[in-house]
Amino acid sequence: QKEVEQNSGPLSVPEGAIASLNCTYSDRGSQSFFWYRQYSGKSPELIMSIYSNGDKEDGRFTAQLNKASQYVSLLIRDSQPSDSATYLCAVNPRQGGKLIFGQGTELSVKP
Amino acid sequence: EAQVTQNPRYLITVTGKKLTVTCSQNMNHEYMSWYRQDPGLGLRQIYYSMNVEVTDKGDVPEGYKVSRKEKRNFPLILESPSPNQTSLYFCASSNLPGPIYSGANVLTFGAGSRLTVL
Repeated sequence: QKEVEQNSGPLSVPEGAIASLNCTYSDRGSQSFFWYRQYSGKSPELIMSIYSNGDKEDGRFTAQLNKASQYVSLLIRDSQPSDSATYLCAVNPRQGGKLIFGQGTELSVKP
Repeated sequence: EAQVTQNPRYLITVTGKKLTVTCSQNMNHEYMSWYRQDPGLGLRQIYYSMNVEVTDKGDVPEGYKVSRKEKRNFPLILESPSPNQTSLYFCASSNLPGPIYSGANVLTFGAGSRLTVL
């Protein structure tokens, strides 16, 4: 089992819809969780960080963490074509801070 | 502007010809790391450094070397490149060993270096 798993996609949603991206992780002791967005040919940029169970909202983005089920998700409301990118889930599996990345989910928002 | 700078951005080389990819950050970060990104495999850590003169292997260190003689610089060295090292490389830095719940392990990435080994 991979340490951090994501569906590679592509995930296609119409403009204005909610995009739901999911990530599971294997280390139950994981400390911190991140979503990075990466446009084609560009470097990853941080969208959301979440550290405790529940939801965390920032504008159109909501991160959800469920440590018991070992998953973290990202919801993008009112999806825009500019949201089309690859979304990387990253998990800090234990003390020390090292991040493990999933393989990324490609999102396509169709006008 | 706070940033991580990598050079070169693009490089085509031949098997066995030593090359160095430089990385420099201006945020006074202690933690620096190199990743490679390949289709379907995501970002995989090559080496990381917690401080000057302290480096450790990541998940895919074979064929690479690093050094950390200064806090701001963390060059990646390919002593004898091979075609399987053709990849997109990212350098990143963070505020570790600061408190994780304050975002100390949030990575700032360089723009990437696309390397092709023929």
